[in-house]
Amino acid sequence: AQSVTQPDIHITVSEGASLELRCNYSYGATPYLFWYVQSPGQGLQLLLKYFSGDTLVQGIKGFEAEFKRSQSSFNLRKPSVHWSDAAEYFCAVGDYKLSFGAGTTVTVRA
Amino acid sequence: DAGVTQSPTHLIKTRGQQVTLRCSPKSGHDTVSWYQQALGQGPQFIFQYYEEEERQRGNFPDRFSGHQFPNYSSELNVNALLLGDSALYLCASSLRKLGGETQYFGPGTRLLVL
Repeated sequence: AQSVTQPDIHITVSEGASLELRCNYSYGATPYLFWYVQSPGQGLQLLLKYFSGDTLVQGIKGFEAEFKRSQSSFNLRKPSVHWSDAAEYFCAVGDYKLSFGAGTTVTVRA
Repeated sequence: DAGVTQSPTHLIKTRGQQVTLRCSPKSGHDTVSWYQQALGQGPQFIFQYYEEEERQRGNFPDRFSGHQFPNYSSELNVNALLLGDSALYLCASSLRKLGGETQYFGPGTRLLVL
């Protein structure tokens, strides 16, 4: 069975500081991994994805994620957050069917 | 290039009623998936349609049914609505291929069951 755990329910970060969101997955084969962002009342926007190859993946809005097979992790990072990065972030795993974590809410303080 | 569109944006129904939600996929996509997102939770997979057939199904009762049309658009139908069906319903489209699909989501339909 495939599943995702996002250990942090809520993270508060200062504007300009770095951000790291954790994601651990369970998947029976080579995982297809995704990070999505959701602003209040909106749908999901794809930030980045990992299918194979280079384990450090670059995405939109300055985000990157690193796939670590030995740790079953796919953590999302951003070197310097902007107030507009305040949102809900979801990690997902799967091929035709995606399984999502419960999400991490990011609050950005001035 | 239009992205994934969904209608209506909001809907209020009462228990026992039936509802139909609609989705138009991103241009060039042939596969539509539906997800339910309850308040404060991550999306849960309902089912996926490809070539007008249901290909995969999540752990949802058969009160939830769907359809895909020849133009790849899709409908989600929910019968005998329960209070617990209140949620944001998300449609995602993708291009079917072996070895990984990328799903792009619409803005969702928020359903409130009273």
